Formats: sequence, C-alpha cells, structure tokens
Amino acid sequence: GENVEQHPSTLSVQEGDSAVIKCTYSDSASNYFPWYKQELGKGPQLIIDIRSNVGEKKDQRIAVTLNKTAKHFSLHITETQPEDSAVYFCAASTMLGQFYFGTGTSLTVIP
Amino acid sequence: DGGITQSPKYLFRKEGQNVTLSCEQNLNHDAMYWYRQDPGQGLRLIYYSQIVNDFQKGDIAEGYSVSREKKESFPLTVTSAQKNPTAFYLCASSSPGQNYGYTFGSGTRLTVV
Repeated sequence: GENVEQHPSTLSVQEGDSAVIKCTYSDSASNYFPWYKQELGKGPQLIIDIRSNVGEKKDQRIAVTLNKTAKHFSLHITETQPEDSAVYFCAASTMLGQFYFGTGTSLTVIP
Repeated sequence: DGGITQSPKYLFRKEGQNVTLSCEQNLNHDAMYWYRQDPGQGLRLIYYSQIVNDFQKGDIAEGYSVSREKKESFPLTVTSAQKNPTAFYLCASSSPGQNYGYTFGSGTRLTVV
C-alpha cells in the first residue's frame, strides 16, 4: 500500500518568513495530493490540493509543488502570520481510493 | 450549509463501558471514514464505508465497531475491548470521483475515567 512520509515534524519560523513542508509517497498510482490545516481541538481543513497532471498550484500565500518522478510534493507558505500556526498534514490518494496521511507538521509562527 | 457533524465534542467513558460516537453528513457523500488521532502519530484509519450497508476495517479496527444503515450516518462504537481508547476521533466523508477531497468533522475527544 501507499506510504506517505512528512518532514519536518515541527517547524518554527519568524513572522514574515517562509515555511516549507515536504512529503514523499511510494505508490506511483497516487494522483491526488491534498494539504490540510488543523487548529487545536478542531478537525482538519483542506487548504490546497494538487492533481498529478499539474506541477504547481498557488493560492495567495500558499503554494504546492509536485515532482511525480521523484514522488515528492511540498507545501510553501510565504509571508507567514501568527494565524498560520497549526498542524499541517499532507495526503496522497488515487481517484477512487482512500487517503494516506503524513504524520503532520506542527508549525509555529513567532511574532 | 452542508457539512459533517460529530457529537458529542467531549465524551467520558468508564472502564468496561461501550460508547458510541455520532457522525452525520448532509453532503450527499458516498464514502465515510473514522480516524483516530494521537499526539505525534498523525491520523490512523479505523473503519471506512464506501456505500450503505457495507464497511471495511482500516489499520486499527480492533476494539471498534461501526454501522452504515443510512448514507448520512456512520456511528462508531468504542467497545470495552479497546484497551487504550483515550484519543481524538475524527470522522470524514468524501465522494470519490468528484472533487476528491475529504471533508472532516470537528472531532470528538474521548477520555477514559
């Protein structure tokens, strides 16, 4: 089955700096890669996703890149703000399959 | 608004008791999932159901049971056989083949007292 690895497990950045979280996956059949943000005591919320026919996707301060050959994808947050502090999860899935999640990255933005 | 509702938000269980966590969605999603979340361990799949009256075990199904009698509902029972049930439980739903994404509920925190 699919195996998703996520790094780093914790990340601290100064407000205004960029943050990058990386994930690798093992199943070449995976073709959908979402990123979720989870605030304390709440359920994860989808913040951005990318499909395998696209190499990069951007939404304001958030971007995701995908390298299918290397089987890795990354989340980039620019101009970080304190409200970006949360746990971020990556996931990989096929169109009809279940999601496989990374172990999460706890991001702290220091004011 | 369409969404997925979990209840209760907090639940306390005595040793040896069964408890049932509720999950209801009005998104018309076919598939529903239960995950357990422990600190530092990410999301672990307990059970999932892709259609009414059918469900499959996930990676950590022992000590749990589910039912899927209605499309909208996927309750999870934590039985006395689950030796370490204290955790945060998340329910999710999706409609495979459409927009792909999971929608999560807000979670239930279960504590054994």
